[in-house]
Amino acid sequence: AQKITQTQPGMFVQEKEAVTLDCTYDTSDQSYGLFWYKQPSSGEMIFLIYQGSYDEQNATEGRYSLNFQKARKSANLVISASQLGDSAMYFCAMREDRNSGNTPLVFGKGTRLSVIA
Amino acid sequence: GAVVSQHPSWVICKSGTSVKIECRSLDFQATTMFWYRQFPKQSLMLMATSNEGSKATYEQGVEKDKFLINHASLTLSTLTVTSAHPEDSSFYICSARTSPSSYEQYFGPGTRLTVT
Repeated sequence: AQKITQTQPGMFVQEKEAVTLDCTYDTSDQSYGLFWYKQPSSGEMIFLIYQGSYDEQNATEGRYSLNFQKARKSANLVISASQLGDSAMYFCAMREDRNSGNTPLVFGKGTRLSVIA
Repeated sequence: GAVVSQHPSWVICKSGTSVKIECRSLDFQATTMFWYRQFPKQSLMLMATSNEGSKATYEQGVEKDKFLINHASLTLSTLTVTSAHPEDSSFYICSARTSPSSYEQYFGPGTRLTVT
């Protein structure tokens, strides 16, 4: 079964507008972490934001915020005031906190965001 | 933030040859490193978990005899693609955590392998 689901293959947003990228996850673990990464055309994976399953507050990092709805198992990324440089692939990922910290990240299929001037 | 490097950044090789990709943690020790493969327009798929001083753990469907992983030190893991074929052409990315108790995980810049 797919653990991370990103249902939007592609999204368009006008420059300076906000955009929400959807992510739902599936786990039976109580302790886990949720991540968002940005991958520009160069291929590098850029860490954006992290949310722990026990964190009560939604994570925020500058223009990025994570809308964490635990009961719905969703971890949507909100990018405010979009910039042309935000155009990239965005991946949602999860790590279940077991196995002494050796558990890998599992990624969704990604959403390609295009910011329009 | 922590830095993970990979070498080479891109490589072209002929079918049947072997290619070694290095992954180094530059400013931290990584007892565990992860190797991912990414085909064009697809997501990152975990290939194996590399543990320093022990055998790597491979994901289902990944041939351990074809993708040799050696984690010889706390800062270096290598992935060797043996007898490469065109279908092995892909983007290979390594990743490491700064410590098991930290959530932070960093990625190398990736290696683009093209097998002709």
